[in-house]
Amino acid sequence: KQEVTQIPAALSVPEGENLVLNCSFTDSAIYNLQWFRQDPGKGLTSLLLIQSSQREQTSGRLNASLDKSSGRSTLYIAASQPGDSATYLCAVRPPRGANNLFFGTGTRLTVIP
Amino acid sequence: GAGVSQSPRYKVAKRGQDVALRCDPISGHVSLFWYQQALGQGPEFLTYFQNEAQLDKSGLPSDRFFAERPEGSVSTLKIQRTQQEDSAVYLCASSSRADTQYFGPGTRLTVL
Repeated sequence: KQEVTQIPAALSVPEGENLVLNCSFTDSAIYNLQWFRQDPGKGLTSLLLIQSSQREQTSGRLNASLDKSSGRSTLYIAASQPGDSATYLCAVRPPRGANNLFFGTGTRLTVIP
Repeated sequence: GAGVSQSPRYKVAKRGQDVALRCDPISGHVSLFWYQQALGQGPEFLTYFQNEAQLDKSGLPSDRFFAERPEGSVSTLKIQRTQQEDSAVYLCASSSRADTQYFGPGTRLTVL
């Protein structure tokens, strides 16, 4: 069974800092990897999706990379803002034919003004 | 609709009661997923529908859990004889194609 791990579990940074969140997965046979943001009491918002054939995706201040062979992904957030405070989850989708996502336990980010 | 909606948002049940959780997916979305998220954990897959067909229910933790989507739109997750370990947030997601899942706000179930 695919296992997804996220380190660190929690992170506090001062506003304006650049930061990196890490995600690792045990089975490199994936279809894609997705990063989500979850705010308290709310559902998940998709941030970036990387197909297995891609190495990275960018959206605004966010950049996600994927190294499938080593089972790792990183989410880079530039110039962090207090509004970035949330829990960030990564999820992998098994190869085509399966539809469910395997999630990590998340990194709770606090950006201090 | 504008997004996936779920009701109720909060549900408190006494142990042994049956509960029903509703999900309204984005209009036209073929695929619908249910996930269970325990406190401090990531969501875990429960079941998947394509239209009205339940194609995967491998994540349902016991036969007390039952999901249906009779007309290929609204879905209901039913939990019979609730137990304290069923306390969690239940998330519903829908998608028009397999890649991107859009999540609802979840139903927080507390079993006393």
